[in-house]
Amino acid sequence: AQTVTQSQPEMSVQEAETVTLSCTYDTSESDYYLFWYKQPPSRQMILVIRQEAYKQQNATENRFSVNFQKAAKSFSLKISDSQLGDAAMYFCAYRSAEDSNYQLIWGAGTKLIIKP
Amino acid sequence: DTGVSQDPRHKITKRGQNVTFRCDPISEHNRLYWYRQTLGQGPEFLTYFQNEAQLEKSRLLSDRFSAERPKGSFSTLEIQRTEQGDSAMYLCASSFVAGVTANTGELFFGEGSRLTVL
Repeated sequence: AQTVTQSQPEMSVQEAETVTLSCTYDTSESDYYLFWYKQPPSRQMILVIRQEAYKQQNATENRFSVNFQKAAKSFSLKISDSQLGDAAMYFCAYRSAEDSNYQLIWGAGTKLIIKP
Repeated sequence: DTGVSQDPRHKITKRGQNVTFRCDPISEHNRLYWYRQTLGQGPEFLTYFQNEAQLEKSRLLSDRFSAERPKGSFSTLEIQRTEQGDSAMYLCASSFVAGVTANTGELFFGEGSRLTVL
């Protein structure tokens, strides 16, 4: 069975600096999708960025980028120029490309604190 | 369409009472998922629908939990004879999945319904 591990329960960063959140996963599959979701306090969870495993190029969305290391089964999220609005829980998630149910397997989350 | 909406946002109930949550997905979305989330944890899958059909239900889900999506639009999640362990945030998410094309099936979440069982 696949698992997703986020080893950092909490991270803090100074506003305008860069922070990296870690995620590792375990799978025997070769085709899958990886996601980072953001859950602000009392707000809905939103998709930050996705990565298709068959793509070698790391995904980027504005200030958010990933470092996808398929062999190492690592999928870290880098947030550049951190802003106060980035404060949230961040969840890493995995989905098998073979799963027609589109089930996501979630990590436990990392709480990101932005210091003004 | 303003996104996925859930009602009520907060519910406090006494142990043994029944509660019902409602989710209105994004209108063109054919899939609807229910998750449970406790503090400091990622979402835990409960069940999901494709249109009005309930296609999968977590094996961990007690028979006190039932969900419906009668017309393939809104969904309800009912918990009967609530227990203190049912206290959690109940999240609804919807997505659009078409055929077998490469579709990531991005989930769009509601703000959740927080249940407190006293």
